[in-house]
Amino acid sequence: DAKTTQPNSMESNEEEPVHLPCNHSTISGTDYIHWYRQLPSQGPEYVIHGLTSNVNNRMASLAIAEDRKSSTLILHRATLRDAAVYYCILTAAGGTSYGKLTFGQGTILTVHP
Amino acid sequence: GAGVSQSPSNKVTEKGKDVELRCDPISGHTALYWYRQSLGQGLEFLIYFQGNSAPDKSGLPSDRFSAERTGGSVSTLTIQRTQQEDSAVYLCASSLVGGEGELFFGEGSRLTVL
Repeated sequence: DAKTTQPNSMESNEEEPVHLPCNHSTISGTDYIHWYRQLPSQGPEYVIHGLTSNVNNRMASLAIAEDRKSSTLILHRATLRDAAVYYCILTAAGGTSYGKLTFGQGTILTVHP
Repeated sequence: GAGVSQSPSNKVTEKGKDVELRCDPISGHTALYWYRQSLGQGLEFLIYFQGNSAPDKSGLPSDRFSAERTGGSVSTLTIQRTQQEDSAVYLCASSLVGGEGELFFGEGSRLTVL
């Protein structure tokens, strides 16, 4: 099964950009890269996902390496509300592992005022 | 409702009792996932449904755990003869298309086994 590796924690100051890395060196060609975040006592919340090309939405940007073995979630201007655990997840869209979720350990993001 | 609904939100039970946890996905979502989160831990995959079938049950921790989904909608996770190590938040998610689409999570069912 494809697995992901993330740093345990990162810190940022408010209004500054944050780059959250994720390594997934054993990713298969049909795996989508998803990012979710989880605030305390809440279920995870979708942030962004992609397959090969970089993606942008109102919350963040996702930069995917050309070989797809790593990706970076970019928060352009961190706010205190962005403080959460960020999970990098691979979802299999084909093959024998169809639909199975593979979780990283998650990165605890602390945002300082 | 508009989102994924889980019940009960909180369940306290005695060791050895059976519990049922329910997940009502977003209408029209074909894919449904169960996973759990122990205190201070990450998310642990349990089982995935595509329609009524479960192509992957490999995450179920033991044969005391079972899940079913009927009518391509509501799913029930059953834990028989609960143990203290079963205490966790059990989270359900659904997506329009399995493997690709955005996952919508419920708020979870917190299970405490005394």
